[in-house]
Amino acid sequence: DQQVKQNSPSLSVQEGRISILNCDYTNSMFDYFLWYKKYPAEGPTFLISISSIKDKNEDGRFTVFLNKSAKHLSLHIVPSQPGDSAVYFCAARYDTGANSKLTFGKGITLSVRP
Amino acid sequence: ETGVTQSPTHLIKTRGQQVTLRCSSQSGHNTVSWYQQALGQGPQFIFQYYREEENGRGNFPPRFSGLQFPNYSSELNVNALELDDSALYLCASSMGDRGDQETQYFGPGTRLLVL
Repeated sequence: DQQVKQNSPSLSVQEGRISILNCDYTNSMFDYFLWYKKYPAEGPTFLISISSIKDKNEDGRFTVFLNKSAKHLSLHIVPSQPGDSAVYFCAARYDTGANSKLTFGKGITLSVRP
Repeated sequence: ETGVTQSPTHLIKTRGQQVTLRCSSQSGHNTVSWYQQALGQGPQFIFQYYREEENGRGNFPPRFSGLQFPNYSSELNVNALELDDSALYLCASSMGDRGDQETQYFGPGTRLLVL
């Protein structure tokens, strides 16, 4: 049962334009969401996160939007740069007090064309 | 401040063998989580250690076991290796003081190939 879904496996965007990466989740217990970027032969790098009490969080070129009623979040990258080309993972967690494991989607491969 | 490091970077084993993977957590972090990433998939949670105690486990069989040491470094041990254990094994460290929305920071991973 895939609790975090990234339904588009890939996205190609022109340099300077906006990249929008989508993520859906099914578990309403999730209360914290993160985006990680991964280059080949490296571990995932934390990008940005959002708590379920917010609907938007911004950090430089990266903005994450959360729509709790739709169980949907998206990552906006503006403007996109060739160095942003990587695999992007959406992850979710809930704090039961027992552990804080992350549940990941399968990832989206973003290609930014010069 | 050093980041999360893992060793070895690559490993080849044969079916039935045992393997130990190592992780050094980021300075100041007391929680280590291990994930398995199969090809084309997202990382899957194996287990987490908080202050040397197992603090949650994913859907992995008992032949996957771990340890956390007083310096908060950690080991992942896999016994009786199977072909499907071939994957990238990721370690993530965090400052886990329950209730905080701490961020997990990942190491570069160990790529294990089981033949």
